[in-house]
This record gives sequence, C-alpha cells and structure tokens, in this order.
Amino acid sequence: DIQMTQSPSTLSASVGDRVTITCRASQSISSWLAWYQQKPGKAPKLLIYKASSLESGVPSRFSGSGSGTEFTLTISSLQPDDFATYYCQQYDTSPWTFGQGTKVEIK
Amino acid sequence: QVQLQESGPGLVKPSETLSLTCTVSGGSISGYYWSWIRQPPGKGLEWIGYIYYSGSTNYNPSLKSRVTISLHTSKNQFSLRLSSVSAADTAMYYCATTSSHSQWYFDLWGRGTLVTVSS
Repeated sequence: DIQMTQSPSTLSASVGDRVTITCRASQSISSWLAWYQQKPGKAPKLLIYKASSLESGVPSRFSGSGSGTEFTLTISSLQPDDFATYYCQQYDTSPWTFGQGTKVEIK
Repeated sequence: QVQLQESGPGLVKPSETLSLTCTVSGGSISGYYWSWIRQPPGKGLEWIGYIYYSGSTNYNPSLKSRVTISLHTSKNQFSLRLSSVSAADTAMYYCATTSSHSQWYFDLWGRGTLVTVSS
C-alpha cells in the first residue's frame, strides 16, 4: 500500500494567517491526490483534486500544489470556518489511502 | 441533487456480521462507482472497497477476506457486509462516490453511521 504522511499533525494558527500542510507519499503518485476538510461529527468535504484543481464551490483561499511524492495544501488567509481537520488521499494505486490528518486549531 | 444515506444497526456483537445499506436518492446508481469508507473514533479514514454499477468490485486487501459489497439496483441501494467483526471494527461508516469516471477522489459522501462492536 502507498503510505501517506501528513505534517504537522496539529497546527495552531490565528485568523488571517497563511497556513501550509504537507503530505508525502511513500512512492510517486503523479498528481493523483485529493484534499479533504472534516469538521467534528461531519463527513469529509472535498477541497482539491488532482493535486491542484479546486472543487466547485470551495473558496479560492484554498490551493493545492505538488506532484510525485510531495504535496501541499495552502490556506492563504485562515478564516474562522477553516478550523478543522484536513486529510490528503492518494488515488494513484488501489487501495486508495489517506494521510493521518492535520488538525488546524485556534491559536 | 444526489444524496447518500447510510442505514443499519448501530450495535453488532463480536464475531457477528456487520450489515449496512446506502440509499442513493436524487439520481441513478447506474454509471458510477460506489464506495464504503470507515473512520474509527478519533482516527483517520480507511477505504473499504467499491462496487461498480456493472457489479464489479474492488476491496482493500486488509479487509478483503471479510468484506462483501453488493448492489441492489431496483432499490437504488448498495450494501456492505463485514464478517467476523471485533472491537477494531468499531467506526463511523460512510458511503461515498465520485462524479468522475476517471479519478478516484470522493466528492459525495453520506452523513455516516456509527457502528459499535460490543457484547
């Protein structure tokens, strides 16, 4: 299985901060990577697919980049609604696998 | 728009079989891949497997020996059966799908249903 490792596991930030989350794959996955946002008690919500394509309806402050084995999710200006846990997912090779999550907390 | 809704028992005894159903409303089950994903309390996400509307399946090897995903086209439903459960199978179970026919991200999720394995 392809292992997905996110860093950091927890991130403390303030409203207005620029936030970057990293996701590393144990082998190359080209650009077959998605990012999700999950709030407590809710299902994950797709933010980004194919590493950098913004899902319809997702605010433009979210952006994704990377290819191969290293990827980043950036929130350009953190908003109160953005405090949540973020997951990456590779879909290059089955079984599709997720990172362990990055919790974005209020500083 | 298309919505997914999971249903099934919230409590299953160890060694028994977990059975869940996902009802697809607002659209047809035909033409798409339908997945189950689970999340143990406080932990990350695990893809369990998918079924295509043709009936073909693909399971996570870590669960393959215990998993069956089936399609019930006339009811616009698909189901999950997980046999020989243990406490490690306690999780929120989500059904999910992708509107893409070539990429395996999940852009539509059900709300999830919590299944607890306990005697």
